[in-house]
Amino acid sequence: GAGVSQSPSNKVTEKGKDVELRCDPISGHTALYWYRQSLGQGLEFLIYFQGNSAPDKSGLPSDRFSAERTGGSVSTLTIQRTQQEDSAVYLCASSPIRGTYGYTFGSGTRLTVV
Amino acid sequence: DQQVKQNSPSLSVQEGRISILNCDYTNSMFDYFLWYKKYPAEGPTFLISISSIKDKNEDGRFTVFLNKSAKHLSLHIVPSQPGDSAVYFCAASANGRDDKIIFGKGTRLHILP
Repeated sequence: GAGVSQSPSNKVTEKGKDVELRCDPISGHTALYWYRQSLGQGLEFLIYFQGNSAPDKSGLPSDRFSAERTGGSVSTLTIQRTQQEDSAVYLCASSPIRGTYGYTFGSGTRLTVV
Repeated sequence: DQQVKQNSPSLSVQEGRISILNCDYTNSMFDYFLWYKKYPAEGPTFLISISSIKDKNEDGRFTVFLNKSAKHLSLHIVPSQPGDSAVYFCAASANGRDDKIIFGKGTRLHILP
């Protein structure tokens, strides 16, 4: 597609439920990143995929968070047993080459845990 | 521990005047700096960047200045226009070591008519 696509755009879930957030990067982009923005906070790095290399998971806040990238394209961020503090906008970005050049962000998924 | 700091949560500037957004960083390994702009309900979009080998980069109305000794950078917008009202994120990375971008908390810029 022309841009980075994220779904759903909004998600309301009950505390304790699992959620899956999806990201379709720009075709051909080898690097994919997940960030989140909580209320009043900046963009917090979560995880980074680059080609077939092992992902950089250093930003995942707890073991309830995990992410996969299948076939080097679509990525799914899974949050298990959601908590209210998980409420945030989850943003996905992709870039054509390794590193900082040419990050393109999607519009994000607004997650609300009630 | 915040590696990229934007100490002004918001800034109001008269249309036509210069907007100056400031950013400080703590990690001396950062060698590439970026500014992103974000409108509500949209993802951030890349605005301008600068490598640590430079101290200034200009693109139209936008200029980024880098002071490595002070670990400080700033974004100048001149003249400011109504469409510049947005949240501006300062970001940095240590290219070649750790490719992820570290973002600040953002500064909300209001351009006043």
